[in-house]
Amino acid sequence: EVQLVESGGGLVQPGGSLRLSCAASGFIFSRYWMTWVRQAPGKGLEWVANIKHEGSEKYYVDSVKGRFTISRDNDKNSLYLRMNSLGADDTAVYYCVRDSGYYSLGYNYYALDVWGQGTTVTVSS
Amino acid sequence: DIQMTQSPSSLSASVGDRVTITCRASHNIRDFLNWYQQKQGKAPKLLIYGASILQSGVPSRFSGGGSGTEFTLTISSLQPEDFATYYCQQSHSSLMYSFGQGTNLEIK
Repeated sequence: EVQLVESGGGLVQPGGSLRLSCAASGFIFSRYWMTWVRQAPGKGLEWVANIKHEGSEKYYVDSVKGRFTISRDNDKNSLYLRMNSLGADDTAVYYCVRDSGYYSLGYNYYALDVWGQGTTVTVSS
Repeated sequence: DIQMTQSPSSLSASVGDRVTITCRASHNIRDFLNWYQQKQGKAPKLLIYGASILQSGVPSRFSGGGSGTEFTLTISSLQPEDFATYYCQQSHSSLMYSFGQGTNLEIK
C-alpha cells in the first residue's frame, strides 16, 4: 500500500524550531518529487515547499524562505521539513505529499496524488 | 507568482443537481491545472489533472475543462458523498505551485 506518515508536530513557542518527518512506503521514493502543503485552521491549502528526486532542486513559498528547509533521505525513504523562527502564522496541519508526473499527449502533468494524514503544528506561548 | 481565484467561495446545492466551479489563473497556465476534493478532517484527494484528465478511480460524474486562464470543475449529478471543499491548483510555474482559496459545496 502506498503510504505517507508524518510525525514531529506539536506545540512550540514563537521563535522556536521544529522538524517534521515523513515516512514513505509502498513506492520507489527516490523516483518522485516530494512536497509539503499546509492548512491553517479553517483556511485553505497552501503549498510550502518541494524537493526534486535526489534533492538537487528545492523551492519554497515566499513566506517561509530563509526559515524552512526541506530535505530528504532516499536511503531511509524519508522527507523532512526543518522549521525555524516559527510564528503564529505557521500554525497549521502540515501534509507530506507525493508529486507525480502523468504523461499524456506529449506532456508531463504534475499533480499531488498521495497525501499523508497530516501533522499539526501549533505556535503559541 | 501565479495567483489562482475560485468562484464561488461557497455553494449550496441538492442531491442530483449539476454544479460548476470556476478557477481563474492570473497568467496563462495552459492546461497545467489540477482539482482536489477535501472532506472535513481529511487530507485532500486528487480528482483531475491536466485540466480534464480524471484520476484513476474518480467517478465519471466529475469532469474538468478549460485552458489558459479559465477552468471549470463540473459535477453532473451531485451525490451525498460529494459535499466537500474543492480546490484548484496550478502546476505550471516551475514547480512553485499555488492553490485556489477553495469552494465549499454544502447541502441545500
